[in-house]
Amino acid sequence: GESVGLHLPTLSVQEGDNSIINCAYSNSASDYFIWYKQESGKGPQFIIDIRSNMDKRQGQRVTVLLNKTVKHLSLQIAATQPGDSAVYFCAENTLGNYGGATNKLIFGTGTLLAVQP
Amino acid sequence: GAVVSQHPSWVICKSGTSVKIECRSLDFQATTMFWYRQFPKQSLMLMATSNEGSKATYEQGVEKDKFLINHASLTLSTLTVTSAHPEDSSFYICSARKVKVRQLTDTQYFGPGTRLTVL
Repeated sequence: GESVGLHLPTLSVQEGDNSIINCAYSNSASDYFIWYKQESGKGPQFIIDIRSNMDKRQGQRVTVLLNKTVKHLSLQIAATQPGDSAVYFCAENTLGNYGGATNKLIFGTGTLLAVQP
Repeated sequence: GAVVSQHPSWVICKSGTSVKIECRSLDFQATTMFWYRQFPKQSLMLMATSNEGSKATYEQGVEKDKFLINHASLTLSTLTVTSAHPEDSSFYICSARKVKVRQLTDTQYFGPGTRLTVL
């Protein structure tokens, strides 16, 4: 049959501006969340993670915010650079009894970040 | 570091042939590896979980006889696409889970992917 082209949600920002990428997750039992960056033709690259006992975590130029009440996750990128252009995926996982993540990762649909010079 | 490699990075094959893709964790041991496939402009879809020394666990809808997984060592898992057809053309990505001792989280590190094109 005829295939229908899919379009990733796109966020277009100017270089130097801050970017906010949002993600809604599905499983209320998920308690570990990760953001990945995927450049064209490459595998996902780990950016930052957060456990459910936190609502904010900061890295270098990136901040992840978690709102468990509404099952929402966001990634903030400060001073966005052209090298930040990529598709960003959030992923959810569930920690096992011993504390290690035992279940599979469930990926969101992804957001294409386009940085305009 | 936590580096995961895949080989080959791309492969073109004729319909009906089998293709093997390797996934290696280069600087850590991984008791669990995962295989994903990704179509253009779509998200990653988990195909199977590969456990060292035991049978892989396949996701619903993934044919285990078509996608053979072997996790022979703590640093190597292979995915063999048997009797490949054009609809199997996709981007196949593996990941390896690095367990952090005495920490309560672990992270999957992804390989660079393998682009399979079946003619």
